[in-house]
Amino acid sequence: LAKTTQPISMDSYEGQEVNITCSHNNIATNDYITWYQQFPSQGPRFIIQGYKTKVTNEVASLFIPADRKSSTLSLPRVSLSDTAVYYCLVVPMDMGRRALTFGSGTRLQVQP
Amino acid sequence: NAGVTQTPKFRVLKTGQSMTLLCAQDMNHEYMYWYRQDPGMGLRLIHYSVGEGTTAKGEVPDGYNVSRLKKQNFLLGLESAAPSQTSVYFCASSPDRVITEAFFGQGTRLTVV
Repeated sequence: LAKTTQPISMDSYEGQEVNITCSHNNIATNDYITWYQQFPSQGPRFIIQGYKTKVTNEVASLFIPADRKSSTLSLPRVSLSDTAVYYCLVVPMDMGRRALTFGSGTRLQVQP
Repeated sequence: NAGVTQTPKFRVLKTGQSMTLLCAQDMNHEYMYWYRQDPGMGLRLIHYSVGEGTTAKGEVPDGYNVSRLKKQNFLLGLESAAPSQTSVYFCASSPDRVITEAFFGQGTRLTVV
């Protein structure tokens, strides 16, 4: 399984755009990149998933360069409620190998 | 629609006791997972299952056993609890689709004294 590396913590202010980058140098051809969000005392929640280029939904955008060795989660105009831990996962699509491993995540603190 | 339900929500065990945590999902998902999360840390995968009757080891399987006799249930057993197993345990399930969106239970807070 591909190992991921992301910053331990980040700080931002309300209304700013936040970009969290994840490194996954040994990603395999059949791996997807998935991001989750976790609030205190809750289980993680799916945010977005992509394979290459750019994916956007109502919550975030995910940018993946052509070599797929990294990815960037972009949160537009964050608010206090975006304070959470964000996890980058590399997920194999092969049946039997789809273990979701979370790593340590990035702790985002949004200030007023 | 209940989603993923974990039983119990809280438990205190004495060292050496055994217990089983139950995870039930009503979404007909193929994949199910058990994690532990220690304070201030990320989630660590204990065991997972890719379908009824299957189980596989995750990152930290020692001291735990699992069973998936029915598709909707995934049981996590501690045969002889140790203080190092004090943690919050999360169960999750996900469908067999390209989008790997996993749905999590509310967690079980286990303390071993």
